[in-house]
Amino acid sequence: NAGVTQTPKFQVLKTGQSMTLQCAQDMNHNSMYWYRQDPGMGLRLIYYSASEGTTDKGEVPNGYNVSRLNKREFSLRLESAAPSQTSVYFCASSEVWGDTQYFGPGTRLTVL
Amino acid sequence: DQQVKQNSPSLSVQEGRISILNCDYTNSMFDYFLWYKKYPAEGPTFLISISSIKDKNEDGRFTVFLNKSAKHLSLHIVPSQPGDSAVYFCAATLGNDYKLSFGAGTTVTVRA
Repeated sequence: NAGVTQTPKFQVLKTGQSMTLQCAQDMNHNSMYWYRQDPGMGLRLIYYSASEGTTDKGEVPNGYNVSRLNKREFSLRLESAAPSQTSVYFCASSEVWGDTQYFGPGTRLTVL
Repeated sequence: DQQVKQNSPSLSVQEGRISILNCDYTNSMFDYFLWYKKYPAEGPTFLISISSIKDKNEDGRFTVFLNKSAKHLSLHIVPSQPGDSAVYFCAATLGNDYKLSFGAGTTVTVRA
């Protein structure tokens, strides 16, 4: 069981470039989440998918889009990256909405 | 505005002694509180939680105390071990919302 996996582990982008962060879980969980972690801020929820086929905005959704591709996969897209999106991004999943969340190892993104 | 605050960015404790981590919150509607532990280059992992109907929850060396009137919770680790060196995040949720609000984290270093 790999749990929650994220790719890539590291990425450097130039301002205006686009990219997609991938997340997959093999625990047959229904709910998935994307967070960003910034120094002094803790983790903040960007988007979440309470169940397959649904997505909703979290606390800081601006500049991001998500796709729940299937039950296993939940991707986060930056259409036009900005330096303010430099952060560490964590994907998480839970068996059902409201249950304990299990986190992936994170993607460290730098936007120059 | 952060609703969950961890005012001590770091804590150093000797092996075998007690570690006390503190967390304050501003939203009196929060009714479920969690602590997550994070090692470098890994995602956070769930440690222990407490419902607002309780004032104490214990799991092995870890005990969480909740003081609702003071909007304060604390995590006690007794005895502290070198493997406890990590960043600890306090988090809270609100009723059926279930979205986690995180504090900024406290880095614990356990000295031999």
